[in-house]
Amino acid sequence: AAGVIQSPRHLIKEKRETATLKCYPIPRHDTVYWYQQGPGQDPQFLISFYEKMQSDKGSIPDRFSAQQFSDYHSELNMSSLELGDSALYFCASSFRLAGSLAKNIQYFGAGTRLSVL
Amino acid sequence: AQTVTQSQPEMSVQEAETVTLSCTYDTSENNYYLFWYKQPPSRQMILVIRQEAYKQQNATENRFSVNFQKAAKSFSLKISDSQLGDTAMYFCAFMKHGEYGGSQGNLIFGKGTKLSVKP
Repeated sequence: AAGVIQSPRHLIKEKRETATLKCYPIPRHDTVYWYQQGPGQDPQFLISFYEKMQSDKGSIPDRFSAQQFSDYHSELNMSSLELGDSALYFCASSFRLAGSLAKNIQYFGAGTRLSVL
Repeated sequence: AQTVTQSQPEMSVQEAETVTLSCTYDTSENNYYLFWYKQPPSRQMILVIRQEAYKQQNATENRFSVNFQKAAKSFSLKISDSQLGDTAMYFCAFMKHGEYGGSQGNLIFGKGTKLSVKP
């Protein structure tokens, strides 16, 4: 079965540079979530999109922005990178529509490991 | 605001034995979902089991089962016949029930319990 695809898997950037992370949700899933997991930490919610509109916002810095495109893939744009942005970034997708048996399950991609030097 | 607490940072178990991981949560919501996710050394987040708060019956998935105590806001995970491949970080997570019956919002995770299965 198709899973959530994230690219790139690894990314190395310098301080103050910009990074773009991409996420391709499971086909027919209508909701995308972004999480940040620092070293030794639990995942923290950043932002989510439902049907290409921003749905919820968590602890996402103002330097970060995200969007979901017409084909449902999503991109997380990170500018003015700081050392503290080094983390594993997960994308998850789900099917939110009421009535679906699997509507409350978020499936995670393998993550993008961002290292800021 | 909802919080999830996992009071056991690390646990170990012998292969083939049973282990129980604890999780408590705090919420004022009546309808919600609870999950256990597993994160092996590969760092992939893998769903282990889920529980809908309105269901009294405890969820079971093969060797994994939960003890859901809604009044006590407790959601423990029992792993039977532990296998070496069960070695991983285990996260308990909470999610609110959607206003219109669908899923709603993000997962709120506990700090995790690192489980080591020893041969």
